[in-house]
Amino acid sequence: SYELTQPLSVSVAPGQTARITCGGNNIGGKSVHWYQQKPGQAPVLVIYRGNNRPSGIPERFSGSTSANTATLTISRAQAGDEGVFYCHVWDITTWVFGGGTKLTVL
Amino acid sequence: DVQMVESGGGLVQTGGSLRLSCAVSGFTFSDYTMNWVRQAPGKGLEWVSSISTSSSYIYYTDSLKGRFTISRDNAKSSLLLQMNSLRAEDTAVYYCARSRVGIRDAFDIWGQGTMVTV
Repeated sequence: SYELTQPLSVSVAPGQTARITCGGNNIGGKSVHWYQQKPGQAPVLVIYRGNNRPSGIPERFSGSTSANTATLTISRAQAGDEGVFYCHVWDITTWVFGGGTKLTVL
Repeated sequence: DVQMVESGGGLVQTGGSLRLSCAVSGFTFSDYTMNWVRQAPGKGLEWVSSISTSSSYIYYTDSLKGRFTISRDNAKSSLLLQMNSLRAEDTAVYYCARSRVGIRDAFDIWGQGTMVTV
């Protein structure tokens, strides 16, 4: 079965750039989606199909994909960006989520 | 406003059954693929099942082994999940989520979830 690998945690200073990676075999050939989940809340879609932002998501959020790694980049990080981020892909007949990365802005 | 409200969760004994519902308003339910995603306490997201607009395509995560059944009632704008032979490892918050466009697209709207405790 297909697997997505994310770091457990990423820390970033306010105003700096955070990069959250998602590793998967040939992930560059898939559409990658990203969600942010804050404590006690449902996930929120922040990037779809690699590098598209839903309405209401700041331009500071962007996505990119290479052969075996997808990356969510958060520029000018703010305290409100904290949460757990999940990558998400469709593989044949199955949806797969990464394990999640906790972003801390400190 | 778009709303998706899950219900039907609760406490059930091992081996029991529950039926979850997701009531939708604010968009044309029949135009969208719908999904169930669950999250065990303190854990990450786990996809459970997806159903296409006319129920022609239905997918499940392999680990369920036929215990769960997804369905939809387009006339009532309602998504359902029948869960049988429940196990302790099914304990989770269950979310319904809408696919943006088609069965392979991102989940753009999520309900607030309903807790199932086995």
